[in-house]
Amino acid sequence: QVQLVQSGAEVKKPESSVKVSCKASGGTFSSDAINWVRQAPGQGLEWVGRIIPMYDTTNYAEKFQGRVTITADESTNTAYMELSSLISEDTAIYYCARDPLGPPYWYFDHWGRGTLVTVSS
Amino acid sequence: QSVLTQPPSASGTPGQRVTISCSGSHSNIAANTVNWYQQLPGTAPKLLIYSDNQRPSGVPDRFSGSKSGTSASLAISGLQSEDEADYYCASWDDSLNGVFGGGTKLTVL
Repeated sequence: QVQLVQSGAEVKKPESSVKVSCKASGGTFSSDAINWVRQAPGQGLEWVGRIIPMYDTTNYAEKFQGRVTITADESTNTAYMELSSLISEDTAIYYCARDPLGPPYWYFDHWGRGTLVTVSS
Repeated sequence: QSVLTQPPSASGTPGQRVTISCSGSHSNIAANTVNWYQQLPGTAPKLLIYSDNQRPSGVPDRFSGSKSGTSASLAISGLQSEDEADYYCASWDDSLNGVFGGGTKLTVL
């Protein structure tokens, strides 16, 4: 049974950075892709990026290029998403999700419970 | 503004059949598979349909997906009160971006 356990809620000041973790168990962490998706309050889902730990390859949404870094530690089966230069509009729940096959069959069969990141001065 | 276009709302009465549309382009829906997610209030999204029309284990066969060209649809037959949720379509785009629809809020009247 695949489980994705995310780190706890964060409150950050504008212009600072946040790093959220996602620890996987029960699957094949190295070969699966881990994606990050965010949801602002009352809004829809927005893809942030993905990583395949085995190859250390990443894809980032154009909107976040230069501001987001996704990494993975195969020794602990943990993926990380770091977002810098935070603004109030980055306030959202950040989900990690497993993508077992990758494009063109890009879908998320398991999700973490989400991490609320609040950006406020 | 989402890359994939969904109606913001849909509704139906118990037992009815409801469809939700998702419109995209040649670089996403036409070129890659479409997936649908159900999100109940206060919870993480759940995979409902993958690879255009496949149901994960445990998803009732009341839910079905279809795709034609640059559009896809989710159909829910025998509508039940517990189907009241937000529904999102998603697909990979050949620009190397994942894309979502804006979401459809389904109300069971």
